[in-house]
Amino acid sequence: DAKTTQPNSMESNEEEPVHLPCNHSTISGTDYIHWYRQLPSQGPEYVIHGLTSNVNNRMASLAIAEDRKSSTLILHRATLRDAAVYYCILRSWQGAQKLVFGQGTRLTINP
Amino acid sequence: EPEVTQTPSHQVTQMGQEVILRCVPISNHLYFYWYRQILGQKVEFLVSFYNNEISEKSEIFDDQFSVERPDGSNFTLKIRSTKLEDSAMYFCASTLSGNTIYFGEGSWLTVV
Repeated sequence: DAKTTQPNSMESNEEEPVHLPCNHSTISGTDYIHWYRQLPSQGPEYVIHGLTSNVNNRMASLAIAEDRKSSTLILHRATLRDAAVYYCILRSWQGAQKLVFGQGTRLTINP
Repeated sequence: EPEVTQTPSHQVTQMGQEVILRCVPISNHLYFYWYRQILGQKVEFLVSFYNNEISEKSEIFDDQFSVERPDGSNFTLKIRSTKLEDSAMYFCASTLSGNTIYFGEGSWLTVV
């Protein structure tokens, strides 16, 4: 499985944008970039995924570098509920393969 | 919104006992998974299940573990003879196509 690198922790203030970086320099052409998050005492939750183009949904935006070696998850206006561990995961499009979780980025939101 | 449900939410069992963790995946989903998370550690893949058979399993998923989809709706994880190190949160997950994997809230297993 291709590896991703994320900061161990980040901190932001409520109602401000948050940019969570992820490096994946060994990404292959068939790898999608997935983001999941895990709120305290809950199961992981899907956030967003993309292949080459930037993606937006109701939760977040995903900005993917042109060379696909890095990406950034953007929370446009963080709330206290966004405090969680965020995982950037590469996953091949071929079949419904497992997710391989790393340590992720622990995001703290200050009121 | 449809969700993956797991029971029990918390189980305490004695070492050596058998445990069955139950999951009801989202009804039209085709791929099913079990993951576990030991307290303070990362989420680890255990097994994936498709078309009524195991499609992939990790090194953790040894002969003490088994999975079953007995009736087309439930998906179970059985641990035959629990060990102290099996204490963890166990997450069931399912997906239709793989783009979005839905996780349950987890079953917390404590082995004493």
